[in-house]
Amino acid sequence: GAGVSQSPRYKVAKRGQDVALRCDPISGHVSLFWYQQALGQGPEFLTYFQNEAQLDKSGLPSDRFFAERPEGSVSTLKIQRTQQEDSAVYLCASSPGTVLNTEAFFGQGTRLTVV
Amino acid sequence: AQSVTQPDIHITVSEGASLELRCNYSYGATPYLFWYVQSPGQGLQLLLKYFSGDTLVQGIKGFEAEFKRSQSSFNLRKPSVHWSDAAEYFCAVGVQNDYKLSFGAGTTVTVRA
Repeated sequence: GAGVSQSPRYKVAKRGQDVALRCDPISGHVSLFWYQQALGQGPEFLTYFQNEAQLDKSGLPSDRFFAERPEGSVSTLKIQRTQQEDSAVYLCASSPGTVLNTEAFFGQGTRLTVV
Repeated sequence: AQSVTQPDIHITVSEGASLELRCNYSYGATPYLFWYVQSPGQGLQLLLKYFSGDTLVQGIKGFEAEFKRSQSSFNLRKPSVHWSDAAEYFCAVGVQNDYKLSFGAGTTVTVRA
């Protein structure tokens, strides 16, 4: 597709369940980002990949959060043993460059609700 | 670490009227500044950005923003609002040669007929 695609668009998980969120970046984009957007807040940085290398995971809130991009294209954000505070919209973005001079393109996000 | 403040949570404006959204940042050096728009069910779309040079920057959809170093501000403006401008607007700051953004909490704009 022409843009960043995320799936599923909506996910309801029971507390304690594991979830996996998928991001298909724009083809050829080197950089891939995950952000978490809580209700009424701006996006907050979670993690950054440059090709298949995870260069920064400083924003991951706990060791229950894990992200991968094994072939430098599609990325998966996994959350284990989900908690209510994990409820948020998870945004993926990709960029052709490696610094902010190049525009990052955002997907529509996955809205996760933990009940 | 850099931070961004958007003082206005919600703004209502009449169609055809002017719009100004405020953004203040905290960062020691010259930041990279961005404005994004998020329409319902849509991803974030970049409106404009400032890296250096002319402090008045033009963006898409008729928006402009002015960087004022003395006030640590980067306010977004549009002379005449259209109903399709109803959305949430986010200001963001980044650091030169870095890759991640720090976003403000956003301002929701409602446009009344």
